[in-house]
Amino acid sequence: SQTIHQWPATLVQPVGSPLSLECTVEGTSNPNLYWYRQAAGRGLQLLFYSVGIGQISSEVPQNLSASRPQDRQFILSSKKLLLSDSGFYLCAWSFKGKSNQPQHFGDGTRLSIL
Amino acid sequence: AQRVTQPEKLLSVFKGAPVELKCNYSYSGSPELFWYVQYSRQRLQLLLRHISRESIKGFTADLNKGETSFHLKKPFAQEEDSAMYYCALGVYSGAGSYQLTFGKGTKLSVIP
Repeated sequence: SQTIHQWPATLVQPVGSPLSLECTVEGTSNPNLYWYRQAAGRGLQLLFYSVGIGQISSEVPQNLSASRPQDRQFILSSKKLLLSDSGFYLCAWSFKGKSNQPQHFGDGTRLSIL
Repeated sequence: AQRVTQPEKLLSVFKGAPVELKCNYSYSGSPELFWYVQYSRQRLQLLLRHISRESIKGFTADLNKGETSFHLKKPFAQEEDSAMYYCALGVYSGAGSYQLTFGKGTKLSVIP
């Protein structure tokens, strides 16, 4: 069966510091990968998605970037964090397909910027 | 562009009472709808999808294309149903990418 791991679970960073959140998937190959931000009362906002190694699509302009250096590894980064980057970040994966493809989520990372 | 609306941020019901979590969507194509649930201290997980036409934990949801709705229902609420519920619309956007658009979520609180 497939599993998804996301770390760290919580992170406290000062403003202006860099960021690296990691997500890995096991038990499948060539999955679609996604980064979301979840905010209370605002639902899930898709930040980035990837259909393959080195292929990143950004949904919203922001201070963050994503990379996929390996098939089952997805990284969310920032060179300089802003206070507004605080939030709860979720990684997800799905099989490829044109229809009825649910996404499977990790445990999330709570990011606090001081 | 597609949109998913969950009009209630919070829904409180008594144990044993019926539950209906509302979800409306806007999409010009053929819709594919999902319900996700997030229990306290657990990860967001798939509850059910319209194509499966199944009942999960006593919950059902029927796609009504005329009303563009996919409401989640359960005849008798249980305390363990208390959670955050998200409705999502799936769309194939080409080049191998299938994306979900989520509603803002409804927090269900079942009162003992």
